[in-house]
Amino acid sequence: DIQMTQSPSSVSASVGDRVTITCRASQGISGWLAWYQQKPGKAPKLLIYGISSLQSGVPSRFSGSGSGTDFTLTISSLQPEDSATYYCQQVNIFPLTFGGGTKVEIK
Amino acid sequence: QVQLVESGGDVVQSGRSLRLSCAASGFTFSTYVMHWVRQAPGKGLEWVAGISSDGNNEHYADSVKGRFSIFRDNSKNTLYLQMSSLRAEDTTVYYCARDRGCGSNCYSYFDYWGQGTLVTVSS
Repeated sequence: DIQMTQSPSSVSASVGDRVTITCRASQGISGWLAWYQQKPGKAPKLLIYGISSLQSGVPSRFSGSGSGTDFTLTISSLQPEDSATYYCQQVNIFPLTFGGGTKVEIK
Repeated sequence: QVQLVESGGDVVQSGRSLRLSCAASGFTFSTYVMHWVRQAPGKGLEWVAGISSDGNNEHYADSVKGRFSIFRDNSKNTLYLQMSSLRAEDTTVYYCARDRGCGSNCYSYFDYWGQGTLVTVSS
């Protein structure tokens, strides 16, 4: 199975800060990577797919980058509504796997 | 608008069976790959199973292979998860999710999710 390792597991930042979350795959995933946002008690929401494509309706302060096995989700200017847990996911090889999650808190 | 509504979650004894349903609306269900994903309380996401748009192709997580079965009824716009030999570690919220789409038998990202249904397995 492909292991997806996210770091950090949690981050606390102020409104307006730039926040970066990383995700490392245990082997190459040919760009089949997505990022999801999940707020407490809610279902996950697709933010980014194909490493860097923004899902419709997602604010442009979210961006994705990376290649090979190393990927990044960046929030360019953190907003109060961005407080959530973020997950990366690979869909290149079964079983489809998620990272362990990164909790983003607002200071 | 796209809606996915799960049902069937319950408290069930270890070793018993349970069937979850996911009623889909707002899109042409029969043309989309669908998935089940679960999440234990306070834990991360775990993909459980996926099924092709025509129902002829399925994939499972190792943790449920041989115990769970995903299937669909395109005439009823409904996705199912038949769970048997339930264990304590199957106690989670189960979400159904629509695949964003890349072909009838191509699996990709999950663009719509239901609200989830809770399964509790008691010993």
